[in-house]
Order: sequence, then C-alpha cells, then structure tokens
Amino acid sequence: ETGVTQTPRHLVMGMTNKKSLKCEQHLGHNAMYWYKQSAKKPLELMFVYNFKEQTENNSVPSRFSPECPNSSHLFLHLHTLQPEDSALYLCASSHPDRGMNTEAFFGQGTRLTVV
Amino acid sequence: DAKTTQPNSMESNEEEPVHLPCNHSTISGTDYIHWYRQLPSQGPEYVIHGLTSNVNNRMASLAIAEDRKSSTLILHRATLRDAAVYYCILRGTSGSRLTFGEGTQLTVNP
Repeated sequence: ETGVTQTPRHLVMGMTNKKSLKCEQHLGHNAMYWYKQSAKKPLELMFVYNFKEQTENNSVPSRFSPECPNSSHLFLHLHTLQPEDSALYLCASSHPDRGMNTEAFFGQGTRLTVV
Repeated sequence: DAKTTQPNSMESNEEEPVHLPCNHSTISGTDYIHWYRQLPSQGPEYVIHGLTSNVNNRMASLAIAEDRKSSTLILHRATLRDAAVYYCILRGTSGSRLTFGEGTQLTVNP
C-alpha cells in the first residue's frame, strides 16, 4: 500500500466509449503524474501537475484529457481511444517543493484494454 | 535529463548478495541518483536515492562512485520477492519528473 489509489484496476472499453481513470492520494503531495506503460516498453511520462496546474504534456494525443480538481485527485478522461492505447496507466505523486531529494509514490495502475 | 545505462538483465541466487550497476557519465552536480523497482503487474516502488555519499535503508544500499559517474544498488540477501525490473534514474533540475529507461530485469533463482 503506497498511499496512491487508482480506480478502476482493470478497464475494457470500446473505441467509441468515454471513460475516466481516477487517482487519489492523501499523502500531502502537490505534484501528480500520469504515466503510460505499454507491453515490454519503459514507462512514458504523459502529464505532470504541480499545485493543480498542468506543467507538462509530453505530446499526448487529445483523446487523453487530464483533470486535477485539487491536489489530492487526478483524473484521466478517455474518449475515442485506439487499440494501441491499451496499456497500464500509472499515477504517481510527490512533493514538488522538495524537488530531486524526495521519492515518488506510484499507484497499482489501471490495466486498460481497448477493443 | 542525463542518461543512465544499465544491463538488460541479471541473475542471482536466493540468499546471495546482488550488485546492480548503473552508469551515468553525464551526471551533473545537482542530480540525485534514484532507484525504483517494478514487480510484475504492479506500479514502480521507490528503493533508495542519494547524492554523493553511500546510503543504506531497510531495503538496500546505494554505493556511489567518487566521481559520481556510476553507482551500484546492493541487495544484501536476495529473495524470490526481489525479482523485478530495477530502474536507475537521475533526478535533477528539470523538476520533479522521473524519466524511466529500460532498467535491469533481475531474476532470482531458488
């Protein structure tokens, strides 16, 4: 148990569906991240939020839409996905003001399958 | 972000020490060296981090070369539960981001 909770753990969706992934942490962290991990590939950073503001978007397609309503919650809204978007989506959090000298905590991930 | 180089895979026997190497020849003076591991079907888990001095915690030890161009993660007694992908990451002035490479797949034999 890392203190970062992701729901759902598994999701199967059709290409025309709209769904959302949720991430929640009560660790007092103000930086939150979305990562994507495709099969046999390294984790790819998608989005970074610091104090609820998006500070990084690594050229992620617009069919992925993040939302950070407060420092404890992070969502990833999904619509019209493609089968190649099937992957493990991981959320993480950390203290942004401690910068490099602090660890990040990851959730267990949402295993997404697009059919 | 400065790059790290790790072997793709390593093997160890249970109850024996494991030394996982990482090269980071372009490290800058303010980069911290972080290690994470990822067990199958789970998110990455923090292991240890350091700047210049060697570090110890309940999970592992981190030995940092004097020139900081390489480091070694030491698991003192490997168990089957230590089988995972181990990532060596430099965390520096680019902010709070963690950039993952391919890591080292550690296999622990019973």
